[in-house]
Amino acid sequence: NAGVTQTPKFQVLKTGQSMTLQCAQDMNHEYMSWYRQDPGMGLRLIHYSVGAGITDQGEVPNGYNVSRSTTEDFPLRLLSAAPSQTSVYFCASRATGARGNTIYFGEGSWLTVV
Amino acid sequence: TQLLEQSPQFLSIQEGENLTVYCNSSSVFSSLQWYRQEPGEGPVLLVTVVTGGEVKKLKRLTFQFGDARKDSSLHITAAQPGDTGLYLCAGATSGTYKYIFGTGTRLKVLA
Repeated sequence: NAGVTQTPKFQVLKTGQSMTLQCAQDMNHEYMSWYRQDPGMGLRLIHYSVGAGITDQGEVPNGYNVSRSTTEDFPLRLLSAAPSQTSVYFCASRATGARGNTIYFGEGSWLTVV
Repeated sequence: TQLLEQSPQFLSIQEGENLTVYCNSSSVFSSLQWYRQEPGEGPVLLVTVVTGGEVKKLKRLTFQFGDARKDSSLHITAAQPGDTGLYLCAGATSGTYKYIFGTGTRLKVLA
């Protein structure tokens, strides 16, 4: 019953450092995505993937990279962290093939860039 | 650019009152979902609507999808403190898999 698992839960970075947020799902979902959540901004889509080997940009992709080498994993990389990337990050997955399938979210990763 | 605007952004009401939250867009959506998020957790799905004019009820919550599939509303009858949370709408446009989320409505129900 793992669902969507994100790590780490909390991270503090210095400006310019790089890091990877890990995301894994065990539901065999084709679609995975990363969102960031800032106060008053709801959830904004960073990158998404509709299957292994396929990724695409969302609303706010700058400063982030993703890859999808397997169905299960969808890591998010911050190449050179900036204070503007301080946020809560959510990984999500859902099955494709039908309208309105449930999006399952991880528990979130709190990132602070100082 | 945020495609989905929610209103109001904040709402504080007394237990037993009714309320309506709106989700509006200029885009047509093939499906629209409502989520509720508790502090420190990810959003959890409440309902999905896919047909223009559709109305769905979930206990004291009533969801409506606009006829043109550009807007939706969430009505809560006799709100309770347990309804407190962040309510988010999310929509997918036809031909895409990605869901865009609204700006959110933070509801606080006072006992």
